[in-house]
Parts: sequence; structure tokens; C-alpha cells
Amino acid sequence: ETGVTQSPTHLIKTRGQQVTLRCSSQSGHNTVSWYQQALGQGPQFIFQYYREEENGRGNFPPRFSGLQFPNYSSELNVNALELDDSALYLCASRAGLSPADTQYFGPGTRLTVL
Amino acid sequence: AQSVTQPDIHITVSEGASLELRCNYSYGATPYLFWYVQSPGQGLQLLLKYFSGDTLVQGIKGFEAEFKRSQSSFNLRKPSVHWSDAAEYFCAVGAMDSNYQLIWGAGTKLIIKP
Repeated sequence: ETGVTQSPTHLIKTRGQQVTLRCSSQSGHNTVSWYQQALGQGPQFIFQYYREEENGRGNFPPRFSGLQFPNYSSELNVNALELDDSALYLCASRAGLSPADTQYFGPGTRLTVL
Repeated sequence: AQSVTQPDIHITVSEGASLELRCNYSYGATPYLFWYVQSPGQGLQLLLKYFSGDTLVQGIKGFEAEFKRSQSSFNLRKPSVHWSDAAEYFCAVGAMDSNYQLIWGAGTKLIIKP
């Protein structure tokens, strides 16, 4: 059973550019959540996808968008990058929407915006 | 709104000594409570979770946590730490009125003295 994987590991972009981050969920998991973790802070919930539909969103502007594919892998897209978008972006997958379903996290993508 | 406070930014403990990491939450009802550990270059790993029932919860790697409703706390403990326990520890809360999305504390960095 493979775990949650994310690509790329690191990324450097400049202000105003757009970026796409990718996540492959654990086998059998239909729910994916994305988090932003700034340096020295805990993760902040961006949004969640359940069976290809957005199912919950945190306090992030619309320039943060996502997709979930039929195989339940997912993308996070960020447009018009700002310096404050520099962070570790974490993807987590789980088997369903119940709070009892444990979230399994990938190692993250470190995004640096210059 | 829910919030999570981890009062200690970092804690230094000698190897073999006991450990207690503090977590306080703000929420009107009984939340779902989690402790995760994050090691450098690795994803967040669930140590334990509390939903209901016995207020003393056992987790992986010899960790336990106790839910105390009167103190709105969910402190993590380990009787004897090992050098491999050095990592960052996060407390998180999930609540029904946020669709069980996790609200995270800022984390406590655990440093082990040889």
C-alpha cells in the first residue's frame, strides 16, 4: 500500500506567477484535503475534495483553487502568487468524510515566492 | 470559533525523562481532538485521537493523552523519551460546526538532550 505522495518537493516562483502542486492519495481514499503551513506555524486548512467535488473551504481567496480526478489524485493551483504564499503545502487523504477517518499526510511541497 | 493553543514553542527534555506537552482548546461542546507529530522532511503522522469515552487515550510510540473537559485541555505525555522523539508536535481540534475540519495549534518543538 503506497502512502500519500506529493510533487514537486520544492518549487521557487516569482510574484505574480501561477503554480500547480500535485498529490496522489493513498489507495482507497476518496477524500483529499490541502493545508498551508507557514514557517513556525501549524497547518491552515485550504479546502477539501470528496469524490471530485469541493466539500469545504477555509479562509483562502479564490486564487487558491483545486481539482480532484477520478482516481482521487488532486491538484492545488495558486494564481497571482504573493510573497506570503511562501509555505509548505500539505496534502492529506482519508477514506471518507467521517471525523473518525484518519488523515494521512504527504511530505509536502515547499513553495518559495521571490 | 474554535481555537487551539500550545503554550510552549519548544521544550527540552533529557533522554529517558518524562514528557508532557500542553494543549488547550476553545470550543463549546466536546470536540474531536488529535495529536500529530512532524519530523523534518516527513509528513504529519497521527499519534492518537479522542472522540468520546475513556478520557485517557493510548497512541503509537508509547504516547498517551488525557482529555480534561473542565480545563479544556488535551495534554500529551510519554513516560520516557527517546532521542528519536525529537520532532514537532501539533495538537488539532475538529468540530461539527466546521464540518470537522481540523484547527491546529502552532506546534511545540521537542528537543532531546543526550
